[in-house]
Amino acid sequence: DAGVIQSPRHEVTEMGQEVTLRCKPISGHNSLFWYRQTMMRGLELLIYFNNNVPIDDSGMPEDRFSAKMPNASFSTLKIQPSEPRDSAVYFCASSFGQGRSGNQPQHFGDGTRLSIL
Amino acid sequence: AQSVTQLGSHVSVSEGALVLLRCNYSSSVPPYLFWYVQYPNQGLQLLLKYTTGATLVKGINGFEAEFKKSETSFHLTKPSAHMSDAAEYFCAVSDGTNAGKSTFGDGTTLTVKP
Repeated sequence: DAGVIQSPRHEVTEMGQEVTLRCKPISGHNSLFWYRQTMMRGLELLIYFNNNVPIDDSGMPEDRFSAKMPNASFSTLKIQPSEPRDSAVYFCASSFGQGRSGNQPQHFGDGTRLSIL
Repeated sequence: AQSVTQLGSHVSVSEGALVLLRCNYSSSVPPYLFWYVQYPNQGLQLLLKYTTGATLVKGINGFEAEFKKSETSFHLTKPSAHMSDAAEYFCAVSDGTNAGKSTFGDGTTLTVKP
């Protein structure tokens, strides 16, 4: 089975440019999570969706960051304008939850390594 | 609210030695607990999970973890380390809701010496 698919795997761009990261969750999963990982701050949850609805975006660092999930099979994380401090590895993860369970693990993509020059 | 504390950001063992990675949790609901492993340039992968039932949980690659409610711990062990076990390990606790949000620990980097 296909896992979580993220694109691009690597992105290098100049400060001020718009960056769009893409994620295709595992088919049938109803929760999607965006994380950022850096050496300094570790793994940070940015935003997560359940049934395509944003549940908690309190981890989004600034208004320059936005995320959408137009349907169950696609999500984007956008940074506009980008800054050097946004350089990090961005992960998307998905999971399936039913009822008040939350006992299903998250499945992670291989990440997008973003470098802002 | 949920929280996870991983004791020791770096652990070094010799090949063939016991691996012990420590995790303590705090949870306002009955906890669902997970251990993930991250190899370089990859995403996190599930090693094992505890939901209910047996407190000793076996996972992939010979790892296991024991849920101890009285100690609020979920330590990860492996009897004999292999070079391929070198990676970063994350403990996580779920918030118990349908959305399945998890709180992750800061991670422990395991180094295996030949």
